[in-house]
Amino acid sequence: SQQGEEDPQALSIQEGENATMNCSYKTSINNLQWYRQNSGRGLVHLILIRSNEREKHSGRLRVTLDTSKKSSSLLITASRAADTASYFCATDPGNNRLAFGKGNQVVVIP
Amino acid sequence: EPEVTQTPSHQVTQMGQEVILRCVPISNHLYFYWYRQILGQKVEFLVSFYNNEISEKSEIFDDQFSVERPDGSNFTLKIRSTKLEDSAMYFCASPRTGPTANYGYTFGSGTRLTVV
Repeated sequence: SQQGEEDPQALSIQEGENATMNCSYKTSINNLQWYRQNSGRGLVHLILIRSNEREKHSGRLRVTLDTSKKSSSLLITASRAADTASYFCATDPGNNRLAFGKGNQVVVIP
Repeated sequence: EPEVTQTPSHQVTQMGQEVILRCVPISNHLYFYWYRQILGQKVEFLVSFYNNEISEKSEIFDDQFSVERPDGSNFTLKIRSTKLEDSAMYFCASPRTGPTANYGYTFGSGTRLTVV
């Protein structure tokens, strides 16, 4: 299964620019979640969007969900050096068993 | 936000040895999970544990793996006879709020297991 495939895999941007990552999935979902992982560290929950929602905001984060296309995007606005991390999408089909994508490496250059 | 604590942060073990990874999940939660991440690969679900029983497990979670809740606070993952391919980061997780994961998960900082 290729649940939660993020695209692009690696992204390098200047501080202050926006970063956009995409995620596609194959099966029906209850919700989709985005996590951040700093190198060698744990996963930090960023935002969750339910299958009946289309867009959600949290601070500088904006996530969209298109269930007809089975895709989601994460936008980080006005990026900061501290946003440098790997970002993972994860789908929950309703059984609380998350399926993660391969992750996006984002590097924000000061 | 409540934390999930994992120990040790890094463990090196000889192939064939038993290892026990420990987790202190968020208190008063009934669901607990273990995931693993082989270096450079996806985070993979291993097992979910509800009310002192395994509720679901993946194909990775074979007879070499077991989970226990030896007391009211700790949650352990045991690998009986480690293999080289068990080298990975192992993460424990609890739902962020309430008994279910309708609001996402809180993950521990992980245990890096290296099998030599």
